[in-house]
Amino acid sequence: GENVEQHPSTLSVQEGDSAVIKCTYSDSASNYFPWYKQELGKGPQLIIDIRSNVGEKKDQRIAVTLNKTAKHFSLHITETQPEDSAVYFCVASGGDDKIIFGKGTRLHILP
Amino acid sequence: GAGVSQSPRYKVAKRGQDVALRCDPISGHVSLFWYQQALGQGPEFLTYFQNEAQLDKSGLPSDRFFAERPEGSVSTLKIQRTQQEDSAVYLCASSVRLAGGQQFFGPGTRLTVL
Repeated sequence: GENVEQHPSTLSVQEGDSAVIKCTYSDSASNYFPWYKQELGKGPQLIIDIRSNVGEKKDQRIAVTLNKTAKHFSLHITETQPEDSAVYFCVASGGDDKIIFGKGTRLHILP
Repeated sequence: GAGVSQSPRYKVAKRGQDVALRCDPISGHVSLFWYQQALGQGPEFLTYFQNEAQLDKSGLPSDRFFAERPEGSVSTLKIQRTQQEDSAVYLCASSVRLAGGQQFFGPGTRLTVL
């Protein structure tokens, strides 16, 4: 079955700097890769997603890249702001329709 | 309502007690998913419905867990004879299409088993 590894587990960056979170997956049949942001006491919220026929997607300060050959995908947040502090999850989906979450990255934006 | 709602938001149960957790998905969403999220971990898939059909229940940890969606809208996750290891946040998500589409999550139900 699918296995998703996410790194780092914790990330602290200075406000205004960039943050990068990386994930790998194992099932080459996975074809949909959303990223979720979860704030304390709330359910995960989709922030960006990418499908396997695209290598990169950008939405304002957030971008995601996908390397299907290497089975890597990454989240990039530029010009970080205090409200970006949260837990971020990568997900691999498709193949046998399983939806597998990474273990999460706790992002701290330092003032 | 505009989003997925879950009730109750918090549930405290004594070990051995049965509990029922409710999920109201976004109207018209075909797919409904249940996840279990332990403290400090990512959500783990439990089960998945397409309309009223339960297509995958491979993530349910034991036969004490049971989920239903009899009319293809509201879903209930039932846990019988709760154990301390069942303590977690139970998340529900719905999607307008089959797996592989954007999922909208509810706020979760935090279950604490004493």
